[in-house]
Amino acid sequence: AQSVTQLGSHVSVSEGALVLLRCNYSSSVPPYLFWYVQYPNQGLQLLLKYTSAATLVKGINGFEAEFKKSETSFHLTKPSAHMSDAAEYFCAVSVDRGSTLGRLYFGRGTQLTVWP
Amino acid sequence: DAGVTQSPTHLIKTRGQQVTLRCSPKSGHDTVSWYQQALGQGPQFIFQYYEEEERQRGNFPDRFSGHQFPNYSSELNVNALLLGDSALYLCASSWGQGDSPLHFGNGTRLTVT
Repeated sequence: AQSVTQLGSHVSVSEGALVLLRCNYSSSVPPYLFWYVQYPNQGLQLLLKYTSAATLVKGINGFEAEFKKSETSFHLTKPSAHMSDAAEYFCAVSVDRGSTLGRLYFGRGTQLTVWP
Repeated sequence: DAGVTQSPTHLIKTRGQQVTLRCSPKSGHDTVSWYQQALGQGPQFIFQYYEEEERQRGNFPDRFSGHQFPNYSSELNVNALLLGDSALYLCASSWGQGDSPLHFGNGTRLTVT
C-alpha cells in the first residue's frame, strides 16, 4: 500500500529564511513523487515531480526536492522564503504509470506561514 | 490556453438530495480524475476516467458515480447526500499517453446541510 506522511502540519519561517517541508512515503514499488501547492480557495498547482530520473528535482518558484530512497523521503526546500510562498503544501505519491497515472495518494498537508 | 474548469464553484444541498458537478479538462488532455478534499485534509482519489470508461476507483461508495463525454469533459454525481459529503471536490486532467502530471481545477465547494 502507498502512503505519505508530512511531518509538521504547520511550519513558520521568516522572510529570507530556509524553507524545509518534510515528506516521507511508503511504497511497495518505485514511486513517482510530487509536491503541489494550494493557495486559499484554489486548486492544486504542481511544484515539481520525481519520475525516476535525477534524484534532485528543481521546480517552479525556486523550490527543489531530493529523492532519498534509503530514507524514503522527498523533502521540499527553498533557500530563501518569500511572503508569496505562504500556502498549503501537499506531498503525493503514485505507483501508476501511463494512462492510469492519476491516482495520487496525498499527505495531509503542511501550512507554510512566512513572517515579514 | 484554458486550464481545468469546474462548475459550479459553490453549491449548497440538503441531506438526501443528489448533486452533479462538472469538469472540462485542460486543452489537449483526455483523462479526468476526481478528488474529494475534506476540510484540513489532503485530497482523496474518487475515480478516474479515460476513453469514456472508469479506469480506477478509490474507496468511495456507489453513491459516487461519474461519466466522461466524447469531448473528454466529465461529471461527478453524488446521490443520497450525507453531511459528511461536504468538501471541496477537485477535478484534475492529464494526457493519458505517458506519465503526464495532473493539472487541477479550482474545485467545487459542496456544503450539505
